[in-house]
Amino acid sequence: DVKVTQSSRYLVKRTGEKVFLECVQDMDHENMFWYRQDPGLGLRLIYFSYDVKMKEKGDIPEGYSVSREKKERFSLILESASTNQTSMYLCASSPLGTRGQFFGPGTRLTVL
Amino acid sequence: GESVGLHLPTLSVQEGDNSIINCAYSNSASDYFIWYKQESGKGPQFIIDIRSNMDKRQGQRVTVLLNKTVKHLSLQIAATQPGDSAVYFCAENKGNTPLVFGKGTRLSVIA
Repeated sequence: DVKVTQSSRYLVKRTGEKVFLECVQDMDHENMFWYRQDPGLGLRLIYFSYDVKMKEKGDIPEGYSVSREKKERFSLILESASTNQTSMYLCASSPLGTRGQFFGPGTRLTVL
Repeated sequence: GESVGLHLPTLSVQEGDNSIINCAYSNSASDYFIWYKQESGKGPQFIIDIRSNMDKRQGQRVTVLLNKTVKHLSLQIAATQPGDSAVYFCAENKGNTPLVFGKGTRLSVIA
């Protein structure tokens, strides 16, 4: 079974802190994605990556950056956390040429 | 612009009945569609997918119907069980572009 793991299930940070959310997949997938999920708004794409060292902006990249130094790991960085970044963050991965994505369990981030 | 705190559309069904969850998609060029189920506290899980060259696809207790004319997708769940209670998302894309997700529908199963 594909496994996508996220470093934390729950995280509480203060405004202005730098926050790292880590995602690791164990199936050698080329594609990785970061979404945030808010009530009534569905899943919104923040950043994605189709290969190591590559990154593409999604629909809502402002206030975020990403890093993909290894194929299995895709990190989401909040340079200076703000209260409007309180959300559920979901990581997903998929093999090259495959449309369906496999999701991790999510990290619920609260910024105070 | 988007509103904050929107309520999810909710569908309540009696245990044992069939459920139909609908989704309207926006891009007429989309050629791939997928349904996910998200249980409370978990990430979305794949249910079933369909390509645009098909109108219907069946899985175990689930059927996806695609009507390209009106850009409508539906998920039918037969003999709905309490374990089917979850939020269901449709998603679409074309080619190698990222999936675009709908806002979700909450299915509640009444025992």
